[in-house]
Amino acid sequence: NAGVTQTPKFRVLKTGQSMTLLCAQDMNHEYMYWYRQDPGMGLRLIHYSVGEGTTAKGEVPDGYNVSRLKKQNFLLGLESAAPSQTSVYFCASSTRDRGYEQYFGPGTRLTVT
Amino acid sequence: EDQVTQSPEALRLQEGESSSLNCSYTVSGLRGLFWYRQDPGKGPEFLFTLYSAGEEKEKERLKATLTKKESFLHITAPKPEDSATYLCAVQAWTNFGNEKLTFGTGTRLTIIP
Repeated sequence: NAGVTQTPKFRVLKTGQSMTLLCAQDMNHEYMYWYRQDPGMGLRLIHYSVGEGTTAKGEVPDGYNVSRLKKQNFLLGLESAAPSQTSVYFCASSTRDRGYEQYFGPGTRLTVT
Repeated sequence: EDQVTQSPEALRLQEGESSSLNCSYTVSGLRGLFWYRQDPGKGPEFLFTLYSAGEEKEKERLKATLTKKESFLHITAPKPEDSATYLCAVQAWTNFGNEKLTFGTGTRLTIIP
């Protein structure tokens, strides 16, 4: 099992550009999450999904969109990148069967100039 | 609103010097408290889940305990490979789902050989 994988690992964008981050999990988990991690701020939830075709807003959703067309994939989109979105992005997944403990991907480091 | 506060922010110990990390929390109804380890440049790695006051869990040199207001991560005779950031997160009981976690900002632990 690969667990949770994220693509790409690094990306540099210019202000106003768009991009999509891909998260994939092979554990058949029903829940998936996108977080951002900034120094001194901890992990903050952007959006999450409780199942295929369903998404919900987290703590810091503005400027991001998500989609979950397949159970194993969760996409995070930035339509018009801003320097404030410079961060490390983590995807995670969980299942009720294992007490909702979340399993994280390796992260994507995004820099917006 | 759920809150998690971890202390200290950073801790430097000599190899073999035991200590404890603190996680204090405010949550409407605690369903679970989670501990994670995060190495630099990597995603958080799950360590423990605690569900009720008085519960304890151990893994190698780590022991996690839980009271009604806080959790402690005790590290006994640490080794340099225990150096990492340790994250605490809480999960609250909700009417519509229990899948979200609220994270603290972490304690950065450094073990000096």
